[in-house]
Amino acid sequence: GDQVEQSPSALSLHEGTGSALRCNFTTTMRAVQWFRKNSRGSLINLFYLASGTKENGRLKSAFDSKERYSTLHIRDAQLEDSGTYFCAALTGGYKVVFGSGTRLLVSP
Amino acid sequence: NSKVIQTPRYLVKGQGQKAKMRCIPEKGHPVVFWYQQNKNNEFKFLINFQNQEVLQQIDMTEKRFSAECPSNSPCSLEIQSSEAGDSALYLCASSRPGQGAGQDTQYFGPGTRLLVL
Repeated sequence: GDQVEQSPSALSLHEGTGSALRCNFTTTMRAVQWFRKNSRGSLINLFYLASGTKENGRLKSAFDSKERYSTLHIRDAQLEDSGTYFCAALTGGYKVVFGSGTRLLVSP
Repeated sequence: NSKVIQTPRYLVKGQGQKAKMRCIPEKGHPVVFWYQQNKNNEFKFLINFQNQEVLQQIDMTEKRFSAECPSNSPCSLEIQSSEAGDSALYLCASSRPGQGAGQDTQYFGPGTRLLVL
């Protein structure tokens, strides 16, 4: 079936450093969306991509449907970036499959 | 294929009017989500329920929207006083209970397209 494998499951960064999160898909997806769950439990939309890359401040995301993956790069991490990040892939039909999440902790 | 039912398919309201839309989740799916999809196709999470209880909602939803999922009745999302910026496609999705809400596969309805004049 349609599955999303998200890695890493947990990530610790010092302020000012950066890293990348990745989602691999078992089938061709038509789009991907990245969310961050904030301290109140709400899902904050970060990016929606049907192809290519998008950048917003210190975040950059890429999606390659042919190669079946998407990445989210964080640079110059700040304390407020801490939280759980999810990718969600949109299949050909009206189905959204979420990754298992990456818990990010940014420390001083 | 998704069996989530949403009504109405189209809704036209004037500014300041109430706008109400309904969703019947798939049978056996106790978790219901509402999203607002804008013209860039981005999904904005609004609120979700497990059975009749609200699990999460964003500030906008708390202030201007009311939503409920009563037992044995459709779920509903109502904008108390519509604004032009509320014009969008409102999508309802349902899922089985996963390890955490939002982490299981969600099945979407066709949406209610709201136009606020």
